[in-house]
Amino acid sequence: AQSVSQHNHHVILSEAASLELGCNYSYGGTVNLFWYVQYPGQHLQLLLKYFSGDPLVKGIKGFEAEFIKSKFSFNLRKPSVQWSDTAEYFCAVNAEYSSASKIIFGSGTRLSIRP
Amino acid sequence: DAGVIQSPRHEVTEMGQEVTLRCKPISGHNSLFWYRQTMMRGLELLIYFNNNVPIDDSGMPEDRFSAKMPNASFSTLKIQPSEPRDSAVYFCASRGADNEQFFGPGTRLTVL
Repeated sequence: AQSVSQHNHHVILSEAASLELGCNYSYGGTVNLFWYVQYPGQHLQLLLKYFSGDPLVKGIKGFEAEFIKSKFSFNLRKPSVQWSDTAEYFCAVNAEYSSASKIIFGSGTRLSIRP
Repeated sequence: DAGVIQSPRHEVTEMGQEVTLRCKPISGHNSLFWYRQTMMRGLELLIYFNNNVPIDDSGMPEDRFSAKMPNASFSTLKIQPSEPRDSAVYFCASRGADNEQFFGPGTRLTVL
């Protein structure tokens, strides 16, 4: 069965610091990988996704993620965070699309940015 | 496209009352998901449909919860009778054949 682990539950950074949020998944086959962001009081929004091709994926708002197949990881990075990045971040994994498949979400990492 | 539409956005009700949450998925999407989010339990998948057929309802907490999808553009999640512990934000999401899943704005339910 697929699973996703986000080991950092709460990360606190100062503005302009660099960010890396860890995500590991367990699934032996071809995967589609996602990062979602949930700003306070809002719904989950897609930040970026990896389906195939270049393992370094660039998303919105300066975020990027790197798929390392050998490590079953898909870590999220941003070189310089802003106060507006305060949110909860969810990593998610799914096998390549099939009608019976569902996206598995990690437990989320809460990111707090000190102004 | 207007995205996933949910109604109502906020619902306050008293214990024992029936609550019905509504969702309109993105046109053309063939999978629909109902989630519940609370501080204590995080994001939980309750049930999902593919082509209007329930595929997995193992996340539905109890018989008080039921969900239907009578057609490709509408789904309901019903709680009867409601209890205070059902208070949460309920999200609907839909997904197309490109495997991208989009969430609705959510319904914040408060059961007094």
